[in-house]
Amino acid sequence: NAGVTQTPKFQVLKTGQSMTLQCAQDMNHEYMSWYRQDPGMGLRLIHYSVGAGITDQGEVPNGYNVSRSTTEDFPLRLLSAAPSQTSVYFCASSLGLNNEQFFGPGTRLTVL
Amino acid sequence: EDQVTQSPEALRLQEGESSSLNCSYTVSGLRGLFWYRQDPGKGPEFLFTLYSAGEEKEKERLKATLTKKESFLHITAPKPEDSATYLCAVPAQYNFNKFYFGSGTKLNVKP
Repeated sequence: NAGVTQTPKFQVLKTGQSMTLQCAQDMNHEYMSWYRQDPGMGLRLIHYSVGAGITDQGEVPNGYNVSRSTTEDFPLRLLSAAPSQTSVYFCASSLGLNNEQFFGPGTRLTVL
Repeated sequence: EDQVTQSPEALRLQEGESSSLNCSYTVSGLRGLFWYRQDPGKGPEFLFTLYSAGEEKEKERLKATLTKKESFLHITAPKPEDSATYLCAVPAQYNFNKFYFGSGTKLNVKP
């Protein structure tokens, strides 16, 4: 099993550009989530999904969109990147409620 | 408001010098407290889940304990390979799909 994979590992964008961060898992987990990690602020939940076709907002959803068309994939879209979105982004998956989360290796995004 | 606070922010230990990390939370009706380890440049890796006050779990040199308001991660005779950032997380009181993470304790163990 590859676990949770994320692409790309690094990305530099200019303000206003759009992009999609990819996340995939091969563990047949229903629950998937996106976090951002900033220095001194820990991990903050952006969006999450409890199954294909079902998504909801987390703590910091503004500026990000998600969709979940399959169990395996959960992409995160930045429609118009802003410098405030410079961060490290982690995707995670778990079997369901109150279960340990498996994290991907992260995507380091810089918005100039 | 649900909150998770970790202390200290950073901890430097000599190899073999035992200590404890703290995670305090304000969520009522706790449905689990999770500890993760994060190495530089990598995603967090699961360590423990604790569900009720008085519960303890151990893994090698690590032992996690839980009270009604906080959890401790005790590190006994640490080694340099224990150096990492340790994160704790709890599910939100009214939505178990949402997790709140503390900002972590960065542990550095010197040989």
